Amino acid sequence: DSGVTQTPKHLITATGQRVTLRCSPRSGDLSVYWYQQSLDQGLQFLIQYYNGEERAKGNILERFSAQQFPDLHSELNLSSLELGDSALYFCASSSWTSGTRYQETQYFGPGTRLLVL
Amino acid sequence: AQSVTQLDSHVSVSEGTPVLLRCNYSSSYSPSLFWYVQHPNKGLQLLLKYTSAATLVKGINGFEAEFKKSETSFHLTKPSAHMSDAAEYFCVVSTSGTYKYIFGTGTRLKVLA
Repeated sequence: DSGVTQTPKHLITATGQRVTLRCSPRSGDLSVYWYQQSLDQGLQFLIQYYNGEERAKGNILERFSAQQFPDLHSELNLSSLELGDSALYFCASSSWTSGTRYQETQYFGPGTRLLVL
Repeated sequence: AQSVTQLDSHVSVSEGTPVLLRCNYSSSYSPSLFWYVQHPNKGLQLLLKYTSAATLVKGINGFEAEFKKSETSFHLTKPSAHMSDAAEYFCVVSTSGTYKYIFGTGTRLKVLA
């Protein structure tokens, strides 16, 4: 168990609908990342938040948005859903360790499986 | 620019034989390197990470990886495969300061009885 929680585990919805995926990071982690995993595109980085602010953007569609709240949990909103949005959506949170140099390690949640019909 | 290449999309081994999953990376600066494992319908679990403290990195479940700068490789090995090792394995590169993980395309490991 990584300590990162995601809800719901499964989500079935119809095209054109909107859904919200939720993620709670590990205790003490300030960064949250969202990824999409699909059969044809593999693991794609979507977006990162750090302590409530957007830090980096990846291949995130305009129909998708995210936010991180003051308690550090994060939500990924997917709207105007299309069949191709069916995928596994992962959240990860990260911690930084210091040693010879600072290194970030990401810990992944169990994912939310979204099926768009 | 960073990139990572997993040289085999599928690897099959017999139970009790060694495992070798290959990963080559490209990075302009000193990389951070990771291996993650994903069992069917599960999330990604961290196996091990390269911290630059030692080139041979030991991880969980008997896995090891060796960082070879001259070869830009970070291959994952295990002396003896177990049925429970059947999963997909991802090699990841990250460069300090970029905040981004770059994932390989994954290697699906099959363990034959």
